[in-house]
Amino acid sequence: SQKIEQNSEALNIQEGKTATLTCNYTNYSPAYLQWYRQDPGRGPVFLLLIRENEKEKRKERLKVTFDTTLKQSLFHITASQPADSATYLCALDHGGSQGNLIFGKGTKLSVKP
Amino acid sequence: NAGVTQTPKFQVLKTGQSMTLQCAQDMNHEYMSWYRQDPGMGLRLIHYSVGAGITDQGEVPNGYNVSRSTTEDFPLRLLSAAPSQTSVYFCASSVEFRSPRQYFGPGTRLTVT
Repeated sequence: SQKIEQNSEALNIQEGKTATLTCNYTNYSPAYLQWYRQDPGRGPVFLLLIRENEKEKRKERLKVTFDTTLKQSLFHITASQPADSATYLCALDHGGSQGNLIFGKGTKLSVKP
Repeated sequence: NAGVTQTPKFQVLKTGQSMTLQCAQDMNHEYMSWYRQDPGMGLRLIHYSVGAGITDQGEVPNGYNVSRSTTEDFPLRLLSAAPSQTSVYFCASSVEFRSPRQYFGPGTRLTVT
């Protein structure tokens, strides 16, 4: 069955550094991959989508890469700020009949001033 | 637009009680879904609907019922609450089935004692 893993439950970095979060998947070839941000007590909010034929996508300080050979996506936040502290979820196109997406468990990012 | 709204925000039930979690969206989205989120686990799909009058089961449907009489509303019913249903429930919508970007509601935190 499909499996999606985000490499760590928590990531602590210093303000101004680049945060890199990893999403790996197995037994699967998704048409696209998405990243969401979730703040405590709130619902996930869509950030970026990258399709299988795209290598990289950027939005302001955010960058996502998608390597279908390695079955991996990297999510980068450059010049990180304390306001970037949140949980970041990776989600894959399910490709089947059971709804749209499969979500990873998330990585909690803490940016220290 | 209010987006996706959910009520109530918090609820405590006793084992065996029933209740309905409300979800509404004002974006004229065809696709709506319910997820539950538990500590250490990703979002898991409970039920989804591709349009008014059409519903289907997701990954963890047992103990839950849904209906979709209008495009706007997608209530989730717990028939006989169990402690295992203690969770945070999120409703989400997208333009149509296979539209990747999901819009999430703020969530309902449910505790079953």
